[in-house]
Amino acid sequence: DTEVTQTPKHLVMGMTNKKSLKCEQHMGHRAMYWYKQKAKKPPELMFVYSYEKLSINESVPSRFSPECPNSSLLNLHLHALQPEDSALYLCASSQEASYSYNEQFFGPGTRLTVL
Amino acid sequence: GESVGLHLPTLSVQEGDNSIINCAYSNSASDYFIWYKQESGKGPQFIIDIRSNMDKRQGQRVTVLLNKTVKHLSLQIAATQPGDSAVYFCAEKAQGLNGNQFYFGTGTSLTVIP
Repeated sequence: DTEVTQTPKHLVMGMTNKKSLKCEQHMGHRAMYWYKQKAKKPPELMFVYSYEKLSINESVPSRFSPECPNSSLLNLHLHALQPEDSALYLCASSQEASYSYNEQFFGPGTRLTVL
Repeated sequence: GESVGLHLPTLSVQEGDNSIINCAYSNSASDYFIWYKQESGKGPQFIIDIRSNMDKRQGQRVTVLLNKTVKHLSLQIAATQPGDSAVYFCAEKAQGLNGNQFYFGTGTSLTVIP
């Protein structure tokens, strides 16, 4: 299985809602990532988990809260988002975070719209 | 057809022609590079990678060239097909403030004209 899956595919939420994005991989990868991508822009790194521990937080606002329950799962909890947070949220995984030559495998993304 | 990456974010080529997509990277310490293809509504898909100790790497219909002297990366697609239409991103792996991570270029949108 060489796939990263993400649910839901689309999510519409109000600014007072609480929702979660989910990501799963069964490749035995020990590094997982959340990226945010606005239209016609490159992905921007948000968080990196290495061996289920948060290793990188790119100064992301606290209304985004990541969680790594186990080595196969990665969640992104959303609360009190703003309309400018509307974007495609991509999950990725790689064998290791620190090893240089590891390819990142991306999921299809969750298209988030905040009203 | 050829793009210059940051300055020409779109590239149109005739089906069957060769395409060249360029990318200028910023960190001379970057030691690993990946080209990704992203189709509309999908996540980035790995195309080909190259380590900094190499100048050239070939895959099926694709070739990546690395010029470390001028910090330039290019992706050549042979006999471009309509299915190649997508946005192409280069990504460099370098040590950032928070650790080893990928930095993505701005992307080039390739349109193949049948």
